[in-house]
Amino acid sequence: QVQLVQSGAEVKKPGASVKVSCKASGYTFTSYYMHWVRQAPGQGLEWMGIINPSGGSTSYAQKFQGRVTMTRDTSTSTVYMELSSLRSEDTAVYYCASYNWNSWGQGTLVTVSS
Amino acid sequence: QAVVTQEPSLTVSPGGTVTLTCGSSTGAVTSGHYPYWFQQKPGQAPRTLIYDTSNKHSWTPARFSGSLLGGKAALTLSGAQPEDEAEYYCLLSYSGARGVFGGGTKLTVL
Repeated sequence: QVQLVQSGAEVKKPGASVKVSCKASGYTFTSYYMHWVRQAPGQGLEWMGIINPSGGSTSYAQKFQGRVTMTRDTSTSTVYMELSSLRSEDTAVYYCASYNWNSWGQGTLVTVSS
Repeated sequence: QAVVTQEPSLTVSPGGTVTLTCGSSTGAVTSGHYPYWFQQKPGQAPRTLIYDTSNKHSWTPARFSGSLLGGKAALTLSGAQPEDEAEYYCLLSYSGARGVFGGGTKLTVL
């Protein structure tokens, strides 16, 4: 079955970077774009960006331009989302989603705290 | 960046009908925004209910339907059930393959 499995929770200090992975299985990895979405505690969903696993092209939300990098490894069907210059407001659950939004990862809690 | 607006909260009686809407700060919402609707329950990842304005998945209960209404995307729930109590988010697509979520509507079935 289609499945997205994300890496585990992270605790980071302000100013650091975090890299979250999302491993896809059960479908042709290069056939479906991968989105990244985050949700701060008690808040709504926020679209961060998208990557085309086939060619690696990306498009990021204006808010994250310059701070986010999405990459992929086709050999392992894995997509990565790296967010730099972390601040407390980046504390959130980060989700990957693909297969035309029909499959979501389990979420990765990133906590930014000094 | 565009701002997508939803009603913060709505209440519907069991068996009743309610319409949630999704507007765009750039103007009328059209099929070209490929509106999606997601349902999220506490502690769970969102799941897709409606895609491309009005298309349903095999798991979408028949009581949910999507449309364009008065320049907005709309999600109508006809015959609300207690299990429909959840947060609902719309997503619109803009140029450059960028997506923007609405702020979400907390639906109470009471």
